[in-house]
Amino acid sequence: EVQLVESGGGLVQPGGSLRLSCAASGFTFSSYWMHWVRQAPGKGLVWVSRINFDGSSTRYADSVKGRFTISRDNAKKTLYLQIYSLRAEDTAVYYCVRDLHAQADYWGQGTLVTVSS
Amino acid sequence: QSVLTQPPSVSAAPGQKVTISCSGSTSNIGNNYVSWYQQLPGTAPKLLIYENYERPSGIPDRFSGSKSATSATLGITGLQTGDEADYYCGTWDSSLNTVLFGGGTKLTVL
Repeated sequence: EVQLVESGGGLVQPGGSLRLSCAASGFTFSSYWMHWVRQAPGKGLVWVSRINFDGSSTRYADSVKGRFTISRDNAKKTLYLQIYSLRAEDTAVYYCVRDLHAQADYWGQGTLVTVSS
Repeated sequence: QSVLTQPPSVSAAPGQKVTISCSGSTSNIGNNYVSWYQQLPGTAPKLLIYENYERPSGIPDRFSGSKSATSATLGITGLQTGDEADYYCGTWDSSLNTVLFGGGTKLTVL
């Protein structure tokens, strides 16, 4: 069974940093591109970033470019999202998502990031 | 304002059929696969339809997808109260080089 389990969210002050993790199991992690998608409270889904099989290619939404870094450790079957310079508008549930031809076939349960002083 | 346009809400009675539209352009829906996601209250989204009309294992055939030019449609027949959820379309945009989601449609089963 495919499982994606996010962790690392929490309450952070504006300007702070966080590292989100996503532990994958039930599939060959190194064979799949992965994404992060976020959802602000009461709002819709917004794509954040994606990474290819071995981490050699990454892409970001304009709203997070330069502040977020996606990475992966295939040996540990773990996806990461390093977030810097957090802003109030980054408050959201962050989902780890497995890619299927630029579609999201499996989603984690999400981890909530709250940016507030 | 999403690049992919969905109606904010739709409603229908139990047992009836409903369709949810998703409108885009040639750089996204027109030249890429469309997928649909169901998000029940308080839960993570779940894949309902991929590659325009394919259903993952376990998704009942009450759910269907179609695509024509730059628009896609999700159809749900035999509506149940358990279908009340937010539904999102998604696709790749070849010009923006990003994954796009529609703004979401809230389905109410009256």
